[in-house]
Amino acid sequence: DIQMTQSPSSLSASVGDRVTITCRASQTINSHLNWYQVRPGKAPKLLIYAATSVQSGVPSRFSGSGSGTDFTLTINTLQPEDFAIYYCQQSYSSPYTFGQGSKLEIK
Amino acid sequence: EVQLVESGGGLVQPGGSLRLSCAASGFTFRNYDMNWVRQAPGKGLEWIAFISSGGTRYSAGSVKGRFTISRDNAKNSLYLQMNSLRVEDMGVYHCARGSTDRQWDYFDYWGQGSLVTVSS
Repeated sequence: DIQMTQSPSSLSASVGDRVTITCRASQTINSHLNWYQVRPGKAPKLLIYAATSVQSGVPSRFSGSGSGTDFTLTINTLQPEDFAIYYCQQSYSSPYTFGQGSKLEIK
Repeated sequence: EVQLVESGGGLVQPGGSLRLSCAASGFTFRNYDMNWVRQAPGKGLEWIAFISSGGTRYSAGSVKGRFTISRDNAKNSLYLQMNSLRVEDMGVYHCARGSTDRQWDYFDYWGQGSLVTVSS
């Protein structure tokens, strides 16, 4: 199975800040990388697919980059509703594994 | 509006069984691949089962032989039959819709989840 490693596991930031979360795959996955947001009591939400494509309806402050084994999720101008846990997922080969999550907290 | 609503969770003893359901609406269910993803307490997301629009099934090694995914397109419903439950199976179970993108796989809509507790 492909292992996905996210960093940092947790981070704190303020409203208006810019944050970056990284995700590394244990082998090349080309651009088969997705990002999801999980908020307590809510359904997980797809943010980014194919490493860089923003899902319809997702605010433009979310962006993704990378290919091969190293990927980044960037959130510009943090809003209160962005404080959540973020997961990367590889969809290159089954089983489609997730990273361990990165918890974004309010400073 | 796409909606996925899970039900059927609850408290079960180790070794017991439970059947989860996921009611889909707002889209043509029979045309989509579907998945179950779980989240154990304090842990991350784990994909556990997939069923294609045509009925092909795959499951994760951690549940193979114990869990069975199925669907009823006439009822717009997805199911997960869970047998021989273990304490480590405890968590929130989400159903998730697969993309129809020919090039990229992703889960574009998720339900809020159903809580499964395994305890004696």
